[in-house]
This record gives sequence, C-alpha cells and structure tokens, in this order.
Amino acid sequence: DTAVSQTPKYLVTQMGNDKSIKCEQNLGHDTMYWYKQDSKKFLKIMFSYNNKELIINETVPNRFSPKSPDKAHLNLHINSLELGDSAVYFCASSQELSAGTLAGANVLTFGAGSRLTVL
Amino acid sequence: DAKTTQPNSMESNEEEPVHLPCNHSTISGTDYIHWYRQLPSQGPEYVIHGLTSNVNNRMASLAIAEDRKSSTLILHRATLRDAAVYYCILRDIQGAQKLVFGQGTRLTINP
Repeated sequence: DTAVSQTPKYLVTQMGNDKSIKCEQNLGHDTMYWYKQDSKKFLKIMFSYNNKELIINETVPNRFSPKSPDKAHLNLHINSLELGDSAVYFCASSQELSAGTLAGANVLTFGAGSRLTVL
Repeated sequence: DAKTTQPNSMESNEEEPVHLPCNHSTISGTDYIHWYRQLPSQGPEYVIHGLTSNVNNRMASLAIAEDRKSSTLILHRATLRDAAVYYCILRDIQGAQKLVFGQGTRLTINP
C-alpha cells in the first residue's frame, strides 16, 4: 500500500528517557513533516524537511532532533523526555508541484500517528 | 498565515447534506483554500482545495464566495463515517511549506 507509515503506534516511557519515532513514505514525495497534537487536540507543525534538508523548525526544544537519512524517511528522536512531551505525533509528506504552479496547491498525506505517553 | 474562522461544532443527520462554513476575510490573492478532516484516532486526511472556482471531487464540494472571503464545504449525503473534525486552512506561497491548523469544526452525524 502506498502510504505514510509511522512506528511505533504507541510508546509508553519514563521521564528522562530517550526515544525515537520512525516515519517512512513510499509516495515518492520530496517533503516530509512532523506535527504534534496535544491533549487539547491542537495540531502544530514541528519540523519540515525537503530532500533531506531542514526547512522549517518551529521553535521546538532542541531535545527534539529530526533526522532524514533519505527523502523517504524522517525520524524523530527525543532526548530527556518530559511529561509535556506526551502527545500524538503525526508524520506527513507532500510533493512539490512543478514550476509555475502556485506552491499553495500541494496537499499533505498524513500517517496514522504515534501516541507517546511519558510517565 | 491568514486566519480562518469556523464554528466549533455542528450536527447533522445521516443521509442529509451538510454545509460547513469557513470565514477567511484576510485571504490574499495567492492563498489556496484547503479542507482537511480528522476522523477519531486517525491522522488528518485531505478533503479538497480550491483557489477561486467551486470544486467537486468524490468526497465533497467546495463553494467559494465571489470575494473569496468565505467558503463552504459541502458533504452531499452525510454518513456516520463523516463524523470528524473538519479544518479549513489557507495556504500561501510563503507558508506553502507548512499547513497551519486551527481549531476546526467537530461534525456530529446523527443516525
């Protein structure tokens, strides 16, 4: 199936631990994103990578480090986990349209989410 | 990013049409109007987008006001599976690399 897939789907861990969430897309897209959805259900962008280069970093604490080994993968590593990091993390990807097309037209495909619970 | 305003919640009955409104009075000429929805316990899902003209696809229709300051997502025949939070989002060239989600409208479908 063509999709954006994230692993793990659920992650329960203790404060202070380091954990990673992996994301892979087989859609051939150039751009990948990480979004965070907190308990109040607000979806906020954290990072965006285009062809393995970081293009958006929305003032996320540097405990969060995205890594893109290739354009099909964008992993999220979180150091020294805190209670406030508990949330659902969504990976997404999009394909930049051809030159001459307004960039605002491209759409995002999201993964199913990874629920992180920090105890 | 220009802002959008949506009702917090709406309710409708199964098999009836649903009109979800969105106001975006500060829209600029290059902003696309996007709609996404998030079903319970799932990631957001693209629904439809448009620039100036009304748009139709297999999921919904998008009606855009002539002055582009408002739009309406139309679900022609709602089913229980359409119960979700619907987000109206403006996407411009500068902010084209990210989608900024607002609060959205929580749509409840009654059987």
